[in-house]
Amino acid sequence: ETGVTQTPRHLVMGMTNKKSLKCEQHLGHNAMYWYKQSAKKPLELMFVYNFKEQTENNSVPSRFSPECPNSSHLFLHLHTLQPEDSALYLCASSQVAGGGYEQYFGPGTRLTVT
Amino acid sequence: QQQVKQSPQSLIVQKGGISIINCAYENTAFDYFPWYQQFPGKGPALLIAIRPDVSEKKEGRFTISFNKSAKQFSLHIMDSQPGDSATYFCAAAKTSYDKVIFGPGTSLSVIP
Repeated sequence: ETGVTQTPRHLVMGMTNKKSLKCEQHLGHNAMYWYKQSAKKPLELMFVYNFKEQTENNSVPSRFSPECPNSSHLFLHLHTLQPEDSALYLCASSQVAGGGYEQYFGPGTRLTVT
Repeated sequence: QQQVKQSPQSLIVQKGGISIINCAYENTAFDYFPWYQQFPGKGPALLIAIRPDVSEKKEGRFTISFNKSAKQFSLHIMDSQPGDSATYFCAAAKTSYDKVIFGPGTSLSVIP
């Protein structure tokens, strides 16, 4: 595997379900990110982890819970989501956190909340 | 409030033509301006980036023009090809330890 991988690629869940999204980067980077991508809207930064420590939480509702056990893996735990949470969730990584460092994105998880 | 504005929302260009996407920002502290390209089913990928100490940067058929005084920058795709059909995002950041702010994106279709 190379680059940034995300699983699953597609997920349909009910509002009462609990599920998790997984991201893994094979680039030796130290920063990882979760973004939400909705149609015709800018990418919304959700969380930033730098050297496994959360450095940014962009006022994300508590029904989204991130976990970063090491610099290569990032999870997004989901529970009691709302239909408006349906979107493409993108994971990214960079050498370190910061605007001057190129971010490498995974292919995303297409989430549908029913 | 969008910190990075982008236009047009969608663009149709004939093969061989020039595609032009414009962006504007407000925060004068931004000093790193990347452009990302996203194909369907894929995540965004860095295409080209510029810092405000230069007014233009060219990589192959892709050129960024930067106007610091107007706080505007644009992407020109010369000799546009059907394979360039994708969504393009401009973005801005402070190069110090800070997040990247993305524009809303432009959907480009290059027709034969």
